[in-house]
Amino acid sequence: NAGVMQNPRHLVRRRGQEARLRCSPMKGHSHVYWYRQLPEEGLKFMVYLQKENIIDESGMPKERFSAEFPKEGPSILRIQQVVRGDSAAYFCASSPPVNDQKETFGSGTRLTVV
Amino acid sequence: DAKTTQPTSMDCAEGRAANLPCNHSTISGNEYVYWYRQIHSQGPQYIIHGLKNNETNEMASLIITEDRKSSTLILPHATLRDTAVYYCIVRSKTGANNLFFGTGTRLTVIP
Repeated sequence: NAGVMQNPRHLVRRRGQEARLRCSPMKGHSHVYWYRQLPEEGLKFMVYLQKENIIDESGMPKERFSAEFPKEGPSILRIQQVVRGDSAAYFCASSPPVNDQKETFGSGTRLTVV
Repeated sequence: DAKTTQPTSMDCAEGRAANLPCNHSTISGNEYVYWYRQIHSQGPQYIIHGLKNNETNEMASLIITEDRKSSTLILPHATLRDTAVYYCIVRSKTGANNLFFGTGTRLTVIP
């Protein structure tokens, strides 16, 4: 049973470009969470999604950031017009339909904006 | 959101028990204590959680004081691979689904 798969592991974008981060949850998991970790800081919650629904986006920046978790396929975290301050590690976690609150995290995508 | 207080860093000799304390004096009756760790450059890993009874699994033991205002995570025989940042998190089973990661304790296991 593969764990939470995130790709790419590393992503380099120039300022103003778009970044698309993908997360495939564990098999059987229908809840997905995205967290951001700035250098030398703890993880900060961004958004919680279930299939085709955004449940809690209280941690998402109001502009340029969006997330989706379609019926088929991975969850996508999209950052438009990236800026240097978006450079961070982005982690995805998933949990099963009956949320036992033992989320499984992926290895993260490290975004570098140059 | 910071409901827990942990020491910034700790050292532990390899093979010895690592005892990581956490204060959560404002914990409410329906809130659990969760522990996660993050090894360098990896995603966080769930370790253990408990409500009021002590808990043990294959990774660690969790000791929660009777008043539930503090707890200790115990790694019985620390190895070099246990070097990581350990996060103590208080969360409700019925409340928010997101985890609040504070600054955690950076544990260094020394050979």
